[in-house]
Amino acid sequence: SQQGEEDPQALSIQEGENATMNCSYKTSINNLQWYRQNSGRGLVHLILIRSNEREKHSGRLRVTLDTSKKSSSLLITASRAADTASYFCATDPNAGGTSYGKLTFGQGTILTVHP
Amino acid sequence: DGGITQSPKYLFRKEGQNVTLSCEQNLNHDAMYWYRQDPGQGLRLIYYSQIVNDFQKGDIAEGYSVSREKKESFPLTVTSAQKNPTAFYLCASSMILGTSVRNEQFFGPGTRLTVL
Repeated sequence: SQQGEEDPQALSIQEGENATMNCSYKTSINNLQWYRQNSGRGLVHLILIRSNEREKHSGRLRVTLDTSKKSSSLLITASRAADTASYFCATDPNAGGTSYGKLTFGQGTILTVHP
Repeated sequence: DGGITQSPKYLFRKEGQNVTLSCEQNLNHDAMYWYRQDPGQGLRLIYYSQIVNDFQKGDIAEGYSVSREKKESFPLTVTSAQKNPTAFYLCASSMILGTSVRNEQFFGPGTRLTVL
């Protein structure tokens, strides 16, 4: 079963608005990562948040992590048409504290930003 | 110019044929991964390798095989035993830092395989 589940499956907004995507997972984790995929392309790493962190910022991106609820959110502020893409969360399961590098990806949120 | 490359970009295969997808990286990464992505879906792990001459099955390894003879290369063979191979295949690599939790993956551009 999928470790990460994104919500919503699709999101359509106007340029300048904020976009929020959520991710839930089932087991304890070392870290949670967000990736972006433009149509027909490979994934690009956006941001990583460790299990002992609660919030992280990178440019217009803000990620939160609530390990008690096993959930994370990705906020893109002041969205642009170029932000149109699919966004995936990925979890690194905590196997006794050792990271084996194996990630589990969710099914993604398709974000469309209209100019 | 460091990165991870996949070839070919598009691949057509007749039923019953084996095909091999190439993945090369010059990032000096220890670990490499193969994922399958179906339309509107997330990524599912096929195989991964953390070190040369060693690899592990992922969640959907049946009908696929890999080798890791060089650190830079991790080719994937889609065999005739794979019942529904039409999909988008993504290769990735990452640095393994022992107990460090920094292990973001770098992806290639993908190969779209179509079975005719």
